[in-house]
Amino acid sequence: GAVVSQHPSWVICKSGTSVKIECRSLDFQATTMFWYRQFPKQSLMLMATSNEGSKATYEQGVEKDKFLINHASLTLSTLTVTSAHPEDSSFYICSASPGINYGYTFGSGTRLTVV
Amino acid sequence: EDQVTQSPEALRLQEGESSSLNCSYTVSGLRGLFWYRQDPGKGPEFLFTLYSAGEEKEKERLKATLTKKESFLHITAPKPEDSATYLCAVLNSNSGYALNFGKGTSLLVTP
Repeated sequence: GAVVSQHPSWVICKSGTSVKIECRSLDFQATTMFWYRQFPKQSLMLMATSNEGSKATYEQGVEKDKFLINHASLTLSTLTVTSAHPEDSSFYICSASPGINYGYTFGSGTRLTVV
Repeated sequence: EDQVTQSPEALRLQEGESSSLNCSYTVSGLRGLFWYRQDPGKGPEFLFTLYSAGEEKEKERLKATLTKKESFLHITAPKPEDSATYLCAVLNSNSGYALNFGKGTSLLVTP
């Protein structure tokens, strides 16, 4: 149980275009989902907390206008990287939990490369 | 501010050579300490959650322990398939529900 599906696994886009990444909880409802970014050889850095039916909460230093988060249902959150630039190239990972006692499950991640 | 420090950064073991990974933490109001395994290019895979000092959990060759200041992940007789990055993360009473991760320990087990 507690499966989180993330798509796509990898994407290459041109500089200036937008990319949408989907995160789905397959067997539980998630009122809250989390988006992380991971650079090579670095740990996971929390970008934002996605809240179903309300605005996302962004961490300090994360541009909310660049990283648009939508959590329209209890099983789906999306992260859209707008006007992507090469420095946005990274590994993006989402996470959700059916309850703290069940731990946090992570998606398989999305490798974004902006050329 | 929460601090999660993992050591060593990298560890190379021979197959069968037991060792321990360390995660020291400074948080206000620990709600849980989590261990994950991450393979290259993949999302973290959940291993353990520990909630209070003195707690221990085991899974196959892995055993996690917790004190008031640190956690250890003991690996007994590791195999090459145990090679991965092991991440420690904490959840505190002030961080909402988001995990705060350490930088990880990259483990390589050679035959």
